[in-house]
Amino acid sequence: EVQLVESGGGLVQPGESLRLSCVASGFIFRNYAMNWVRQAPGKGLEWVSVISSGGYTDYADSVKGRFTISRDNSENTLYLQMNSLRAEDTAVYYCAKEPLGGGVTEDWGQGTLVTVSS
Amino acid sequence: DIVMTQTPLSSPVTLGQPASISCRSSQSLVHSDGNTYLSWLQQRPGQPPRLLIYKISDRFSGVPDRFSGSGAGTDFTLKISRVEAEDVGVYYCTQASQFPYTFGQGTKLEIK
Repeated sequence: EVQLVESGGGLVQPGESLRLSCVASGFIFRNYAMNWVRQAPGKGLEWVSVISSGGYTDYADSVKGRFTISRDNSENTLYLQMNSLRAEDTAVYYCAKEPLGGGVTEDWGQGTLVTVSS
Repeated sequence: DIVMTQTPLSSPVTLGQPASISCRSSQSLVHSDGNTYLSWLQQRPGQPPRLLIYKISDRFSGVPDRFSGSGAGTDFTLKISRVEAEDVGVYYCTQASQFPYTFGQGTKLEIK
C-alpha cells in the first residue's frame, strides 16, 4: 500500500524559511515522479512543483526562485525547501505521486499546514 | 498556462439521482504522446484529494463504477450515475498534459 506522510509544517513569519518532508513507502520511490500541491484555507488546489525520477524539476511561477524541490532516494523522502515565505504561501501542502507513465497525481498524502503570519 | 473551467460550481443532488460536472480547458489537452491527461479528483470534507478518473475515462483502483468520465480535446464530463451520501465533497478536474499542471475551481456536490 502506498503511503505518503508529510511533515515540517508550522507557523513562520514572513520572510522566513521552512523545509517540508514527505516520507514514502509501499513503492520503489526512486522510480516515480513526485509533486507538491498546495491548498490555501477554503480554496482550491494549486500545483507547486514536480521532480522526476531522473531529477528534472519544474515550479509554478508563484514559487519559482523561492522554493526548491529535491529528493533523497536512499531515504525515500521528498523535500520542499521554502524560502522568503509570504502570507499567500499559507496552505496545506500535499505530496503526490505520479504513476510510471506520468500524467496524473494518483496518490496523495494527508498534507501538512504551513502558516505564514506575523 | 492552461485554464480549467468547471461548471457548475455547486450541485445540489437528490440521493439516488445522477450528477454531472463539466470541465473545459483553454486549449487542447492532447499530449504529444497521444494521450489526454485529464483527471478527476474527489475531496471529501477534511480529507486530501483522491483520484477517481485519469486519462479522461479510466477509473482508478477501488473507485466505484457509478463514476465515469468522458470527453475529448477541451471538453470533459464527470458523471455519477446514482449519488450516494459518501459522494459529498468537492470535485476537481485537473490536467497534466502540460506544465504547470492546473486544476479547475472545484465543484461542490451536496445532497438536497
